[in-house]
Amino acid sequence: EVQLVESGGGLVQPGGSLRLSCAASGFMFSTYWMSWVRQAPGKGLEWVANIKEDGSEKYYVDSVRGRFTISRDNAENSLYLQMKSLGADDTAVYYCARDVGDRGAFDPWGQGTLVTVSS
Amino acid sequence: QSALTQPRSVSGSPGQSVTISCTGTSSDVGGYNLVSWYRQHPGKAPKLMIYRVSERPSGVPDRFSGSKSGNTASLTISGLQAEDEADYYCCSYAGSYIPWVFGGGTKLTVL
Repeated sequence: EVQLVESGGGLVQPGGSLRLSCAASGFMFSTYWMSWVRQAPGKGLEWVANIKEDGSEKYYVDSVRGRFTISRDNAENSLYLQMKSLGADDTAVYYCARDVGDRGAFDPWGQGTLVTVSS
Repeated sequence: QSALTQPRSVSGSPGQSVTISCTGTSSDVGGYNLVSWYRQHPGKAPKLMIYRVSERPSGVPDRFSGSKSGNTASLTISGLQAEDEADYYCCSYAGSYIPWVFGGGTKLTVL
């Protein structure tokens, strides 16, 4: 079974940092682009970042560029999102999702991990 | 990069059909046949329902269909069932700089 499990969310103060992880299983992780997508409370989905199979290409939405860093460890079948200079607008459930390139879609998604930025 | 435009809400009775629109620009929806649709029940992760404008993943009922005309994509759900009540999001490829953009989401209510 293809599965993605996020972890690392929690409460962080404004200006703080947090590192999210996503453990992948059930598929050949190293052959897929991967993405992070977030959803603020009561709001819609927002694509945040993605990373190529070998980590050589990374793309970010403007609002996080320079503050967030996406990375991966193919040996550990893991995806990461290092977040710094966090603000209230970053409060959201963060989902990792597999980019199915030939489908131009995200499938599947993890269950999400909640990041709350508050003092 | 602006979010794609979806109606905030749509509704229909069981057995009826509803269509949800998703309007972008020639730089996203109109420029690529890489539109996907996701269903999200409250408190759950999104689920892929349609990819490449009109393709259905295995396991998705054929009641779900997708199409595109110009800069607007559409999701049609026929034979509405109670389980279809959820939020629906469209997503489109938007080029190499910021590759993906989502719609604002549409709440489907089954009356």
